[in-house]
Amino acid sequence: DTAVSQTPKYLVTQMGNDKSIKCEQNLGHDTMYWYKQDSKKFLKIMFSYNNKELIINETVPNRFSPKSPDKAHLNLHINSLELGDSAVYFCASSQESGGPLFYEQYFGPGTRLTVT
Amino acid sequence: AQTVTQSQPEMSVQEAETVTLSCTYDTSESDYYLFWYKQPPSRQMILVIRQEAYKQQNATENRFSVNFQKAAKSFSLKISDSQLGDAAMYFCAYRSLYKSSGAGSYQLTFGKGTKLSVIP
Repeated sequence: DTAVSQTPKYLVTQMGNDKSIKCEQNLGHDTMYWYKQDSKKFLKIMFSYNNKELIINETVPNRFSPKSPDKAHLNLHINSLELGDSAVYFCASSQESGGPLFYEQYFGPGTRLTVT
Repeated sequence: AQTVTQSQPEMSVQEAETVTLSCTYDTSESDYYLFWYKQPPSRQMILVIRQEAYKQQNATENRFSVNFQKAAKSFSLKISDSQLGDAAMYFCAYRSLYKSSGAGSYQLTFGKGTKLSVIP
């Protein structure tokens, strides 16, 4: 069973387009995240979403918007794609309240976005 | 804000030998968690080991162990009996134990990674 899944795994698109990346977790976790990994492999948080509270990294352009239809999903929408958006995007989840906690995050397989 | 530094962009080790990857961090907090994640060429992020700051005992997971020096804010990873499958990027990560007020969250702060090669 896949704990955290993302679709698609690869996404190639042109500048100016709007795209979405889907994320689903079947771990019953209460918190989900989006990270961006740039070409130098540096991982940086974009968003965290917990109990309908969205925390946004201030450096993320407002062209990026997460949407959570329910606790198990956190999708990433990107408007007006730019060349600099090319990266690998990771979804992750963790359990942050209730029960034994280890605070470890489980990552999806990543989505490689290429903007041409 | 916390920062994590991995000063070794690349390391190599002979198969069956031992290698240590370095990580230092900066924080004003007293309670936190530290992690090592492995990212093989498949790009999947895999948790290798976890350390709670309030525990003095160093964490171990089979061939992986850490040397946690809280006062020095150092968290190195030792891989014993290195195997070809250990070849990967290794990331050190920090997370606060408590959600910060205001704009805080539970996110991981990562170092820039160390690329480990294993030589047959």
